[in-house]
Amino acid sequence: GQNIDQPTEMTATEGAIVQINCTYQTSGFNGLFWYQQHAGEAPTFLSYNVLDGLEEKGRFSSFLSRSKGYSYLLLKELQMKDSASYLCAVRGWGNTGFQKLVFGTGTRLLVSP
Amino acid sequence: EAGVTQFPSHSVIEKGQTVTLRCDPISGHDNLYWYRRVMGKEIKFLLHFVKESKQDESGMPNNRFLAERTGGTYSTLKVQPAELEDSGVYFCASSQENRDEQYFGPGTRLTVT
Repeated sequence: GQNIDQPTEMTATEGAIVQINCTYQTSGFNGLFWYQQHAGEAPTFLSYNVLDGLEEKGRFSSFLSRSKGYSYLLLKELQMKDSASYLCAVRGWGNTGFQKLVFGTGTRLLVSP
Repeated sequence: EAGVTQFPSHSVIEKGQTVTLRCDPISGHDNLYWYRRVMGKEIKFLLHFVKESKQDESGMPNNRFLAERTGGTYSTLKVQPAELEDSGVYFCASSQENRDEQYFGPGTRLTVT
């Protein structure tokens, strides 16, 4: 089966650093994505990891360990606008050989002043 | 460049009625995906088009759901007859190649009463 776990909710203060973890068990792996979703809006792409290690993109970084089935998204210098849901999604192989995304339930991050 | 658009943004219908959702992908994106998020659950894959062909419809819940992409441009997802459990947010996403990141639309919130 396919299973992706991430915390339901996290809180942090403005200017702080927060790490959102994601563990996965999927049939086939071809990359892990992080998306940000503000309420009522489209999920927007944040990062992509397919090899082990850390990918840094401005205030956001994402880490992957394929052997442990583990990823995290690190947000630095938190701003109020970072309050959103963060979705972990694993890309695997569908029945027809094409790739599709399997999502976790998302982590709602609340940034307070 | 315009993003993925979806219409309508909200739809409230009664059980037994028919609803058609529309998705316009980013111009030039051959790959189009439909997803659904039921309240409290994760975003789940429904199906995948490459141009006008259905490549993977393994996520379609049952035969009350019909997706089309005539001409390989926009896509429609029809639910007929709608049931209460069909309520949720229906997302559309597109990508140029199957291996690329997917760009999501804002979703259609469907409420069946």
